[in-house]
Amino acid sequence: SAVISQKPSRDICQRGTSLTIQCQVDSQVTMMFWYRQQPGQSLTLIATANQGSEATYESGFVIDKFPISRPNLTFSTLTVSNMSPEDSSIYLCSVEPRGSYNEQFFGPGTRLTVL
Amino acid sequence: RKEVEQDPGPFNVPEGATVAFNCTYSNSASQSFFWYRQDCRKEPKLLMSVYSSGNEDGRFTAQLNRASQYISLLIRDSKLSDSATYLCVVNMWGSSASKIIFGSGTRLSIRP
Repeated sequence: SAVISQKPSRDICQRGTSLTIQCQVDSQVTMMFWYRQQPGQSLTLIATANQGSEATYESGFVIDKFPISRPNLTFSTLTVSNMSPEDSSIYLCSVEPRGSYNEQFFGPGTRLTVL
Repeated sequence: RKEVEQDPGPFNVPEGATVAFNCTYSNSASQSFFWYRQDCRKEPKLLMSVYSSGNEDGRFTAQLNRASQYISLLIRDSKLSDSATYLCVVNMWGSSASKIIFGSGTRLSIRP
């Protein structure tokens, strides 16, 4: 498994602003993922962030809205840009540790409220 | 049809009961399967991977039926602490890469 931390744990933001969420893992991992979980719903994958390459975005998510950085094997950031109330959600990062077979381990999440 | 579908729930069962959840998936080329549990306002946590031969971990048994494209989770002698949402997760292979798909979850509530 892996120990994953996220910052901030929660935030309340004004519409039109941007928030950057940080994800730190205690070991080097190749695969990191960013998910969104809207109230009462399951997880939706936003993008896969692999070190040394551009993030791969899922259908419905674009880089201009959700820019991602992956500067090294233990850290990633997700920015939610030009926020609107519809972006209110929980944002989670996850990792697939080396040696695991597609098993993912999640950070505690960032609860975002946009007013 | 959704790529991963689960029993909608909620399931409300007495402590000590046996409860089973099913999950179906649409892509026959799916490679790996998991059950996660998610407590209220917490992140999902891996409960168990599901192997072709089926696997058991204490009170939990997972089965995979590739022919019918479903997986199941059986919880025996349920405890109050088993109350959570159970997420079925499937790793599907697409045209160029694999993708993890989460089911919508089944809520389980164990009553004393």
